[in-house]
Amino acid sequence: QVKLLQSGAELVKPGASVKLSCKTSGFTFSTSYMSWLKQVPGPSIEWIGWIYAGDGGTNYNQKFKGKATLTVDKSSSTAYMDLSSLTSEDAAVYFCARTTPYYVMDAWGQGASVTVSS
Amino acid sequence: DIVLTQSPALAVSLGQRATISCKTNQNVDYYGNSYMHWYQQKPGQQPKLLIYLASNLASGIPARFSGRGSGTDFTLTIDPVEADDTATYYCQQSRNLLTFGSGTKLEIK
Repeated sequence: QVKLLQSGAELVKPGASVKLSCKTSGFTFSTSYMSWLKQVPGPSIEWIGWIYAGDGGTNYNQKFKGKATLTVDKSSSTAYMDLSSLTSEDAAVYFCARTTPYYVMDAWGQGASVTVSS
Repeated sequence: DIVLTQSPALAVSLGQRATISCKTNQNVDYYGNSYMHWYQQKPGQQPKLLIYLASNLASGIPARFSGRGSGTDFTLTIDPVEADDTATYYCQQSRNLLTFGSGTKLEIK
């Protein structure tokens, strides 16, 4: 069945970067879109962007341009998200999700918590 | 951005009907489809897709869940509600990029 397994919780210092991973199985990764989303309690869920695993093409929420960089490794069916210059505003749970045509997230990773603290 | 507005909370008695609404500030219909989707999220878990394109039941979701609406007004109905339906329900549009509502927390009395 479809599985998305994310890397574990991260504790990072302000100003540092972090790379989150999302290893997939059970579907054809190379023809899939993968989205990344941010969830902070209260303000709900924000879509960061998606990447097409076939050619690495991306589409970002304007708010996250320069903050997030999405990449994939087709050989391992894994999606990655780099978050740079972290501040307290970046502390959140981040999810990866398979994204269908019509931009519906039909399968989600378990989430990865990012804490930003010195 | 398209803004989605949901009521923050709803309490429904076990076995009754729950109706959760989502209103958008722009039309999310396009070429015969309504680009509105619904998710369920339980505490400490990832969201789960329930309904896509306003009224289509996602794979493995029981028929107690249904969605309807078009344009700017949409509803998710759970009938009858079960204790396990306690969760937060989010609507999401994909007509113009992707945005989510703030969620409706459903309590089962």
